[in-house]
Amino acid sequence: EAGVVQSPRYKIIEKKQPVAFWCNPISGHNTLYWYLQNLGQGPELLIRYENEEAVDDSQLPKDRFSAERLKGVDSTLKIQPAELGDSAVYLCASSPVGAGELFFGEGSRLTVL
Amino acid sequence: GENVEQHPSTLSVQEGDSAVIKCTYSDSASNYFPWYKQELGKGPQLIIDIRSNVGEKKDQRIAVTLNKTAKHFSLHITETQPEDSAVYFCAARAGYSTLTFGKGTMLLVSP
Repeated sequence: EAGVVQSPRYKIIEKKQPVAFWCNPISGHNTLYWYLQNLGQGPELLIRYENEEAVDDSQLPKDRFSAERLKGVDSTLKIQPAELGDSAVYLCASSPVGAGELFFGEGSRLTVL
Repeated sequence: GENVEQHPSTLSVQEGDSAVIKCTYSDSASNYFPWYKQELGKGPQLIIDIRSNVGEKKDQRIAVTLNKTAKHFSLHITETQPEDSAVYFCAARAGYSTLTFGKGTMLLVSP
């Protein structure tokens, strides 16, 4: 069974440019998460989806970050415009409804110059 | 919201020794406590979890203990091996809310 797939794995952009990350969760997983992981830190939730609905986006900086999960499957996380402090790894995870375990992708590492 | 503290931030042991990582949490409603292992360049992967109705759980060389009264839980790895070297994260969750992670412990096992 395929795991959570993220792309791109690495992205280098200049500040003020836009960037987008894509996530394909494990088939059948209704819950999808985007986490931010700064160097030497634990993952911090940006947004959680139950099917198409964003049920927890309280930590998403909505002035520059946006996310969508059309049709309740794939998801895209966008940053526009990017700032130097956005350099980090963006992790996508999915889980079945009601289950405890999160399955993480390998992450998308963003470097903003 | 939930706050999870994790100690130590780094831990170096010799192969064959035991390693213990400790976490505390703030929300008394939390009832699910997983541990994740993250290798370099990879996403975190669940290695063991425990729910609040259990005090201890063991899986081969890995065990987790939970003290709900004190609001702390610990990961124990026995007979460590070089391949155990990684960053370990504890996490806590109340009901179906979102997991809150600790800041991680970098474990280095020297041959």
